[in-house]
Amino acid sequence: DIQMTQSPSSLSASVGDRVTITCRASRTISRYLNWYQQMPGKVPKLLIYAASSLQSGVPSRFTGSGSGTDFTLTISSLQPEDSATYYCQQSYATPRTFGGGTKVEIK
Amino acid sequence: EEQLVESGGDLVQPGGSLRLSCAASGYNFSDYWMDWVRQAPGKGLVWVSRINTDGNSANYAGSVHGRFTISRDNAKNTLYLQMNSLTAEDTAVYYCVRAREYCIHGVCSVGFDHWGQGTLVTVSS
Repeated sequence: DIQMTQSPSSLSASVGDRVTITCRASRTISRYLNWYQQMPGKVPKLLIYAASSLQSGVPSRFTGSGSGTDFTLTISSLQPEDSATYYCQQSYATPRTFGGGTKVEIK
Repeated sequence: EEQLVESGGDLVQPGGSLRLSCAASGYNFSDYWMDWVRQAPGKGLVWVSRINTDGNSANYAGSVHGRFTISRDNAKNTLYLQMNSLTAEDTAVYYCVRAREYCIHGVCSVGFDHWGQGTLVTVSS
């Protein structure tokens, strides 16, 4: 199975800050990497697919990058509504696997 | 509007069985692979299983292989998850999700673009 490791597991940042979350795959997955946002008490939502393509309706302050084994989700200017847990997920192979999540809190 | 509505979650004793259902509406159900993803209380997302459009091919996470069976009825626009030999480790909210293939620059990544609200399965004596 492909293991997905996210870091950090949590972070606290101020409104307007630039935030970066990292996801590492245990072996190369090309660009078969998606990002999800789960707000407290809510259902997960697809943010980014194929490593860097923004899902329809997602604000442009969210960007994804990377390929191979190392990927990044960046929020360019953190907003209060971005308080959530973010998960990466590989779709290169079955079983599909998620990272452990990164909880983003607003200071 | 696409919608997925799960049902069937309940409190069940260890060793027991349960069948979850997911009713799809607002899109052509038979055009999409479907998956189940679960989330234990306070924990992260874990992929459980997937099934192809025709219902004749499925994959499972190792932790549920041989105990869970995914199936679908395209005439009824419904996805199922039969869960047997349940243990406390199966306690979770179970989400029905639609798998959509996104192809860009030669890469076709399958993302979960629609999620149900989830149904809670609690395994406890």
